[in-house]
Amino acid sequence: DTEVTQTPKHLVMGMTNKKSLKCEQHMGHRAMYWYKQKAKKPPELMFVYSYEKLSINESVPSRFSPECPNSSLLNLHLHALQPEDSALYLCASSQDRPEYGYTFGSGTRLTVV
Amino acid sequence: AQRVTQPEKLLSVFKGAPVELKCNYSYSGSPELFWYVQYSRQRLQLLLRHISRESIKGFTADLNKGETSFHLKKPFAQEEDSAMYYCAPREGTGFQKLVFGTGTRLLVSP
Repeated sequence: DTEVTQTPKHLVMGMTNKKSLKCEQHMGHRAMYWYKQKAKKPPELMFVYSYEKLSINESVPSRFSPECPNSSLLNLHLHALQPEDSALYLCASSQDRPEYGYTFGSGTRLTVV
Repeated sequence: AQRVTQPEKLLSVFKGAPVELKCNYSYSGSPELFWYVQYSRQRLQLLLRHISRESIKGFTADLNKGETSFHLKKPFAQEEDSAMYYCAPREGTGFQKLVFGTGTRLLVSP
């Protein structure tokens, strides 16, 4: 398995809802990442997990809460989002060698209404 | 501040023409450098990494440390090359973060 799988592919949620995005990989990668991509913009890093521990938080608002239950799974819990949080949320994973690139999932298209 | 610059938002060429997508970086140390491509309705995928000195889909990229550039080149563009291209440095060792440039959209016309 050489893919990163994200679910759901699309999500519409209200500003008072609580939802979660899920990401899974079975490549043995020990680092996993969340990125946010707005339309016509490059992906922006949100969180980095290495060996299931949060190592980088790019000053993301607390309404986004990441979780890494094990080395294959990464979740992003969403609560009290704003319409401006609507975006494509990308998950990625990588090996612990810098010369290797990241493998990206196809993303979850989130719309906050 | 560390950053990566892709000066062209849009690069439009005809099929068969040479292509050069520019990338300049300003980083301390020696970052690993990558090119990623995002085709329409497809996931972001790795195209090239400088350390491997490979040619993928006819594209090559040369790291010029003196000019701090990592331009992406292809001698003869094809219509299927139309996509968004991102230059992305990854600094440090281990899991240090990958940061994307602003991207260049390549449009290859028949």
